[in-house]
Amino acid sequence: GENVEQHPSTLSVQEGDSAVIKCTYSDSASNYFPWYKQELGKGPQLIIDIRSNVGEKKDQRIAVTLNKTAKHFSLHITETQPEDSAVYFCAANRDDKIIFGKGTRLHILP
Amino acid sequence: KAGVTQTPRYLIKTRGQQVTLSCSPISGHRSVSWYQQTPGQGLQFLFEYFSETQRNKGNFPGRFSGRQFSNSRSEMNVSTLELGDSALYLCASSLGTANNEQFFGPGTRLTVL
Repeated sequence: GENVEQHPSTLSVQEGDSAVIKCTYSDSASNYFPWYKQELGKGPQLIIDIRSNVGEKKDQRIAVTLNKTAKHFSLHITETQPEDSAVYFCAANRDDKIIFGKGTRLHILP
Repeated sequence: KAGVTQTPRYLIKTRGQQVTLSCSPISGHRSVSWYQQTPGQGLQFLFEYFSETQRNKGNFPGRFSGRQFSNSRSEMNVSTLELGDSALYLCASSLGTANNEQFFGPGTRLTVL
């Protein structure tokens, strides 16, 4: 079955700097890769997603890249702000069965 | 449009008991998925229901079961609770067609004593 590895588990960046979170997946048939943000006491919320026929997608300060050959995808957050502090999860989806990475706790330092 | 709702939000049970959690999806969504979230294991897929039928299943023991009603509301049941079942149980709803965005509820925090 699918296995998703996510790194790093914890990331601290200075406010205004960029943050990068990386994930790898094992099942080459996975074709949809969402990223979720989870704040304390809330359920995960989709922030951006990418499908397997696209290499990069950007939405304001957030971008995701996908390398299907290497089976890895990354989340890039630029100009980080205090409200970006949260846990971020990557996921790989095949046939509506989503497998999540273990999460990255992002701290934005003042 | 109302979001995904889960009840109860918090639950305390003792070992050996059983528990039923409820999830009401977004109106129009026919798929409901359940996940267990723990600090050590992260988010783990339990099962997915679509049009009252279990369509996908994760690797959890038979003590974990679910069902979906004709109005798409779903319940999850855990029998013979163990200490290790303490977790945040999340449900997510979607349209149910391929690779649709899943919308998560706030979760039910289950503590087993």
